[in-house]
Amino acid sequence: QQPVQSPQAVILREGEDAVINCSSSKALYSVHWYRQKHGEAPVFLMILLKGGEQKGHDKISASFNEKKQQSSLYLTASQLSYSGTYFCGTERDTGNQFYFGTGTSLTVIP
Amino acid sequence: DTGVSQNPRHKITKRGQNVTFRCDPISEHNRLYWYRQTLGQGPEFLTYFQNEAQLEKSRLLSDRFSAERPKGSFSTLEIQRTEQGDSAMYLCASSWTSEAYEQYFGPGTRLTVT
Repeated sequence: QQPVQSPQAVILREGEDAVINCSSSKALYSVHWYRQKHGEAPVFLMILLKGGEQKGHDKISASFNEKKQQSSLYLTASQLSYSGTYFCGTERDTGNQFYFGTGTSLTVIP
Repeated sequence: DTGVSQNPRHKITKRGQNVTFRCDPISEHNRLYWYRQTLGQGPEFLTYFQNEAQLEKSRLLSDRFSAERPKGSFSTLEIQRTEQGDSAMYLCASSWTSEAYEQYFGPGTRLTVT
């Protein structure tokens, strides 16, 4: 039931781009994206609802392919502050349980 | 609004003891979630309240775990007869009920069972 994320880890230089993928085997109602820094609680980035919409703000955007039950998070022109572990969170079409993905560790170096 | 708060922040207990954690959500948020997170893993869903009603409970949650949210305000999570495997960070989150809600997380309670 836990969504699978890829890659597991990525190292970027400042200014480079990254894509993080999230895949579920179940029909989804929504996909959330959160970033968690070491020792801190997860912080909300954005939410996408069933309907295949794409969202974004500043240099971070995301898409949701409802047919494939996949979501991707796009980080462009990465900054040092982007470092952390990224989790997708999914809510299924049926039920209220919320599942976080396996996580992607992202490190941005100067 | 000061955000989601959790108490205590740290708890060390001996195996077999009972522990209780408290979560105070953002006022007027009617959804409240409990998660458990171990090192290197994503948060694992435990249970979910809408107002005072507990609507979902993870099948992975043993009967040693119980949660309440009296009057739809703060919530408590109790673990009875703690085991070493219960050692983890316990996170609480709250949100509005709307079509596109975001969850606001508290700082968590770190439980260590010795």
